[in-house]
Amino acid sequence: GNSVTQMEGPVTLSEEAFLTINCTYTATGYPSLFWYVQYPGEGLQLLLKATKADDKGSNKGFEATYRKETTSFHLEKGSVQVSDSAVYFCALSPDSNYQLIWGAGTKLIIKP
Amino acid sequence: EAGVAQSPRYKIIEKRQSVAFWCNPISGHATLYWYQQILGQGPKLLIQFQNNGVVDDSQLPKDRFSAERLKGVDSTLKIQPAKLEDSAVYLCASRIAGGNNEQFFGPGTRLTVL
Repeated sequence: GNSVTQMEGPVTLSEEAFLTINCTYTATGYPSLFWYVQYPGEGLQLLLKATKADDKGSNKGFEATYRKETTSFHLEKGSVQVSDSAVYFCALSPDSNYQLIWGAGTKLIIKP
Repeated sequence: EAGVAQSPRYKIIEKRQSVAFWCNPISGHATLYWYQQILGQGPKLLIQFQNNGVVDDSQLPKDRFSAERLKGVDSTLKIQPAKLEDSAVYLCASRIAGGNNEQFFGPGTRLTVL
């Protein structure tokens, strides 16, 4: 079946550090892949997405590349800020019913 | 543009009581989803509506959960009777029909069952 596996958190980094949050997936066909972010006290927001292999999604300095050969969609940012502290969710949409299958989330803590 | 609205934001009830949650999606969004998010987990889809019809309710515990979207706009999710394991955040999301896959989420309702 379809599933998403994320690295466990919390991930704690200092400001300006490089960030990687790993995400791998299992799916049939060619799913779309997403990263959502949940800031403290707020709802889930789409951070970036990629709809086909080798696509790179990017937003707010975050990037993720759809790697079909490794079934991965790792989230990266070159220099994190305290304001990036949040929970990050990787998700996939396997087919045309636009349902999302979610990872467990990774809590990111950035210290000044 | 107004986002997805949900109410109440918080609810505390005793087990075996009933509770209802309300969602108002973004205007013009035909697809509406209800998710359950247990602490430390990703959201789990409970039910998906397209206008006022149910597309998928395979993961909805139908012995105690019900949902409706009578006029294809607002939706309510009800739990009766509630169990301790229903303690979670209930998220509503909406999406415009066709086009891209982005779902827009409301702030959620945090339910605590004592």
